[in-house]
Amino acid sequence: EVQLVDSGGGLVQPGGSLRLSCAASGFTFSNYDMHWVRQVSGKGLEWVSAIGSGGDPYYPDSVKGRFTISRENAKNSLYLQMNSLRAGDTAVYYCARGVAVLGGSWYFDLWGRGTLVSVSS
Amino acid sequence: DIQMTQSPSSLSASVGDRVTITCRASQGISNFLAWFQQKPGKAPKSLIYAASTLQGGVPSKFSGSGSGTHFTLTIRSLQPEDFATYYCQQYDSFPPTFGQGTKVEIK
Repeated sequence: EVQLVDSGGGLVQPGGSLRLSCAASGFTFSNYDMHWVRQVSGKGLEWVSAIGSGGDPYYPDSVKGRFTISRENAKNSLYLQMNSLRAGDTAVYYCARGVAVLGGSWYFDLWGRGTLVSVSS
Repeated sequence: DIQMTQSPSSLSASVGDRVTITCRASQGISNFLAWFQQKPGKAPKSLIYAASTLQGGVPSKFSGSGSGTHFTLTIRSLQPEDFATYYCQQYDSFPPTFGQGTKVEIK
């Protein structure tokens, strides 16, 4: 079955760190750009990071310098290391498979079920 | 960043109805638009890309149209499993951005 299973969320204090994981199955993981997208409760979706099939990372300004995306193709796994967490980072984090478009960015054709990150003292 | 605005934010409809959701981009995005469906506690599901191309396995009751700044998602003959929140997303430029969502509820 083609699927993404994200995990690693939890409660962390402001300034703390957390590492999310995403296990991919049913497709050739190494061929795809992979992403993290988050959703604040009751709000919309925000793209958080991407890593190309070749390993190049991409971030929005809101997380640049605090979050690090990585992948381990041999394990069909995607990771997100989150440091210096803030209350505003509280959200459900989704792993997503991206389809790159020449001249554009990506759309997302496969999503995980999400893992909840809560940043609170 | 390109801003995506959906309307309405929510709507009530009956089983069998036809509903249309609108998504507007703050600048032209050609046809680089995708639509997703999300149900509570579930992974978002990709419905449409390139404004009007259905993802594999998505029933033809879903259709998308538009280009430039104005796009629509239409659902024919609404069924109980279609009650969900729908999001648009532009991928014309970096970073990819999403609409705020339209919640389709049962009347």
